[in-house]
Formats: sequence, structure tokens, C-alpha cells
Amino acid sequence: DIQMTQSPSSLSASVGDRVTITCRASQDISNKLAWYQQKAGKVPKLLIYAASTLQSGVPSRFSGSGSGTDFTLTISSLQPEDVATYYCQKYNSAPRAFGQGTKVEIK
Amino acid sequence: EVQLVESGGGVVRPGGSLRLSCAASGFTFGDFGLSWVRQAPGKGLEWVSGITWNSVVAGYADSVKGRFTISRDGAKNSLYLQMKGLRVEDTALYYCARDGRGGGSYFSDNWGQGTLVTVSS
Repeated sequence: DIQMTQSPSSLSASVGDRVTITCRASQDISNKLAWYQQKAGKVPKLLIYAASTLQSGVPSRFSGSGSGTDFTLTISSLQPEDVATYYCQKYNSAPRAFGQGTKVEIK
Repeated sequence: EVQLVESGGGVVRPGGSLRLSCAASGFTFGDFGLSWVRQAPGKGLEWVSGITWNSVVAGYADSVKGRFTISRDGAKNSLYLQMKGLRVEDTALYYCARDGRGGGSYFSDNWGQGTLVTVSS
């Protein structure tokens, strides 16, 4: 099975900072990669699919890039409401594995 | 508005069984695939199983293969997860989630609030 590895596992940044989270697949998954945001005690929310397509209603400070095995989620200017855990998920085939998550906090 | 409402969770002894249900509304049920995703307390997300719009089973996580069975009923707009041989490590919040629109869109664009399954002696 394809494994998904996120880095870092946690980060702390200041409001306004540019934040980048990386997700690596153990095999080529083309662009079949989604990113989710989960705030504490809340349901996960889809941010990006097809590696770089922003889900409707998601702020434009979120962006995704990558193809094949290496992907990134970027928050261009971190806001207090972005405090959350972020997960990548591959969906080219089953099992549709998630990464282990990256917890983002405000410094 | 898309709504996914899970039910059927509870406390069960190791080796026991449970059947989870997810009632869907606010969209054309037969047009979308669905998935179950779980989250153990304090842990990350784990995809459990998925089923396409036409009831083709996408597969199962290795951790539940042979013990869990996913199904759907278009007449009732419902998704199910039959769980047997439950283990302590199956303790989690189980989410029902809808796949995206269009072929190959096997990400989850809408999620329910989850139902809690606790496996304990």
C-alpha cells in the first residue's frame, strides 16, 4: 500500500507568516491528493483537491501544489483562525490513506 | 444543504458487533460515492472504506479487512458499516463522508458529525 508522510508534524508561526506543509507519497499518485483542515473538536473540512484546486468557499491564502509523489500546502499569510491540524489524503486508489497530520499553532 | 447524520455507535465488548448507519439528505444520493473515516481519541484520520455511486466497494483499510462490510441503500438514502469482531483498537469516532462530484473524485467534500464507537471489556 502507498504510504503518505507529512512534515513537519507540528509548527508554530506568527500571524502573517507564510506556512508550508509537505506531503510525500511512497509511490506516484499523479495529482490525486486532497488537503483537509480540522480544528479542535470539529469535523474535517476539505480545502484542496486534485493537488491544487481550491474547494469553493476556502480563502485564497490557501494553495496547493505538486504532482507524482511530492506535494505542498501553503498558507500565504497565517491567520489566527488557521490554527488547526492539516491532513493530506491520497485518493487514486484504495486504501485512500491519510497523512499523519500537521498541527499548526500561532507563536 | 448536504446533511450526513451517523447513528449506531455505542459501547461494545471485544469480539462484538455493531452496525453504523448514515442518513443522507440534501443531494441526489445515487449520484455520489460515500466513505467511512474514523478517528481514534487524540489521533489522526484513518480511511476505513468507501463505496461508489453504483455500489462498487472501493476497498477497505487493512486494519478492518475481513471484519467490516460497507453497503448502501438508495431507497433509504443510507450508508451502512457492519462491524464484526470488534477490537479495542477500533475505538474511534466514525465519520460518514460524501465523495466529490464526478468520476475519480474520491476525496470527501462533506462530512457528518460522527458516531462514537467504544470497544471495551
